[in-house]
Amino acid sequence: SQTIHQWPATLVQPVGSPLSLECTVEGTSNPNLYWYRQAAGRGLQLLFYSVGIGQISSEVPQNLSASRPQDRQFILSSKKLLLSDSGFYLCAWNTRKDRTYEQYFGPGTRLTVT
Amino acid sequence: GQNIDQPTEMTATEGAIVQINCTYQTSGFNGLFWYQQHAGEAPTFLSYNVLDGLEEKGRFSSFLSRSKGYSYLLLKELQMKDSASYLCAVKDSNYQLIWGAGTKLIIKP
Repeated sequence: SQTIHQWPATLVQPVGSPLSLECTVEGTSNPNLYWYRQAAGRGLQLLFYSVGIGQISSEVPQNLSASRPQDRQFILSSKKLLLSDSGFYLCAWNTRKDRTYEQYFGPGTRLTVT
Repeated sequence: GQNIDQPTEMTATEGAIVQINCTYQTSGFNGLFWYQQHAGEAPTFLSYNVLDGLEEKGRFSSFLSRSKGYSYLLLKELQMKDSASYLCAVKDSNYQLIWGAGTKLIIKP
């Protein structure tokens, strides 16, 4: 069966510090991968998605970047965090083989920038 | 632009029925999803509609009208564990999900 991992679960970082969040998927190959951010009481904002190794599409301009060094690994980074980067970060995956194209979510990382 | 509207919050009583509405305006339509999200947790899949009509799955049902850009999620025999946010999402012409802000459902005994 497929599983998706994210770490760390929670993170408190000062403004201006770097960020690296990691997501890995097991049990599937060539997944589409997504990074979302959810501010408190808000909906999901798509940040990046990737359809293959080294292929990254950015949905919103920001100080975040993403990389996909391996087929089932997706990394979200920042060189200098802003207060507005606080939120709940979710990684998700799906595959076109799934009829509904449903997305499956990881457990999330709660980031607080102080 | 693309837009998905849901009520911000709803309150219902344990054992009752509640209907959560979702209206959408998107560039193309390739299906509509409902997800449940408990506080502090990731969203989990509830239902998927791509054709008009009602899809029933146990206590939960989801309805779609593509001509009206409208969907609802119907929850029957409400239980306290149904207290959560319910997210509506539409798959657009590029097969990307456009998400609503979610409806926080509060269940009272």
